[in-house]
Amino acid sequence: GDSVTQMEGPVTLSEEAFLTINCTYTATGYPSLFWYVQYPGEGLQLLLKATKADDKGSNKGFEATYRKETTSFHLEKGSVQVSDSAVYFCALSPAGGTSYGKLTFGQGTILTVHP
Amino acid sequence: DAGITQSPRYKITETGRQVTLMCHQTWSHSYMFWYRQDLGHGLRLIYYSAAADITDKGEVPDGYVVSRSKTENFPLTLESATRSQTSVYFCASSERTFLFFGSGTQLSVL
Repeated sequence: GDSVTQMEGPVTLSEEAFLTINCTYTATGYPSLFWYVQYPGEGLQLLLKATKADDKGSNKGFEATYRKETTSFHLEKGSVQVSDSAVYFCALSPAGGTSYGKLTFGQGTILTVHP
Repeated sequence: DAGITQSPRYKITETGRQVTLMCHQTWSHSYMFWYRQDLGHGLRLIYYSAAADITDKGEVPDGYVVSRSKTENFPLTLESATRSQTSVYFCASSERTFLFFGSGTQLSVL
């Protein structure tokens, strides 16, 4: 079955540092890929998405590129802020566009940014 | 208010009791979902619904029951709670694009 693997966490950075959170997946065909963010005490929010190979999703300074050849969707940000402290989830939706929200999630990566 | 709301926000119960978690959305989205969030497992799908009166099992359905008599409501019932069901439960809705999540219910089974 489909699976998503995220880098082991937690991740602790100083403000303005560069962030990478690795995500790799196993799925047939061309799934859609997502990054969701969960701020303390809240539900998950969509951060960015990519629906086909070589697509780059971006939002709020975060970027991720859909790499079919390496089955990866790594999340990056050039300069993190304290307000980016949250849990980040990589997720996929099966190919074919019929899953309508039946996502497979990674285990989540806790990011803490210190001033 | 528009959006997706869950209640209660926190719940403590005892083993063997029946518990119902509520979920209400105002967008009229066709699809609704229940996920549980556990450390080391990310989110796992419990049940989902494609429309009123249409429900189906997800990855971890055992011990849970759902119903969807109205499009906007999707309650999740634990018929006889067990300690392994201690978790944070998220309801979500979608209309073919991506998920919108509620704020979650933190459930503790003692």
